[in-house]
Amino acid sequence: GAGVSQSPRYKVAKRGQDVALRCDPISGHVSLFWYQQALGQGPEFLTYFQNEAQLDKSGLPSDRFFAERPEGSVSTLKIQRTQKEDSAVYLCASSLGVHNEQFFGPGTRLTVL
Amino acid sequence: AQRVTQPEKLLSVFKGAPVELKCNYSYSGSPELFWYVQYSRQRLQLLLRHISRESIKGFTADLNKGETSFHLKKPFAQEEDSAMYYCASDSGTYKYIFGTGTRLKVLA
Repeated sequence: GAGVSQSPRYKVAKRGQDVALRCDPISGHVSLFWYQQALGQGPEFLTYFQNEAQLDKSGLPSDRFFAERPEGSVSTLKIQRTQKEDSAVYLCASSLGVHNEQFFGPGTRLTVL
Repeated sequence: AQRVTQPEKLLSVFKGAPVELKCNYSYSGSPELFWYVQYSRQRLQLLLRHISRESIKGFTADLNKGETSFHLKKPFAQEEDSAMYYCASDSGTYKYIFGTGTRLKVLA
């Protein structure tokens, strides 16, 4: 079966542009997580959805970051007015339930020039 | 703040030699600990979790609450073990906290 997919795989943005990153979780997975992985670092938690409800957004670094999962399946992470420090790999993970194994997508590498 | 520490950025061993990747965590409760692996050009995947007490691909990890460690071990390294390894803790919640990773290179 298909795993978690993310698109685009690579995104180059000019500083100040808005970007949207998409995550398609494994079908039937209730829980969805976004992580940010800066160069040379481990992934860092951004936000968590249970179905369509965003239950935790404590890791979002600023109000320029916004995530949604309107129908409880596909999720989009939007970054407004991108800054150079937003350059990172953005990882999406999904799981059957909140305490089940998290399955990761391949990530989207965002480069802000 | 909760923290997971992997002190080695790079670990090189010869094929057939024992491997130990170090991981220490800071959490006073009872976290669940994980080891994730990322092979070249592949996605992050779970290698093992301490509650399952399994041995995966010859790797084992024992949770030592006294030393707050969860070191990953393998008695005989193989070339295909070369990868990036991340230790992670759920810090008692669903928020995984990852270490900075250790790149393991197994030399022929």
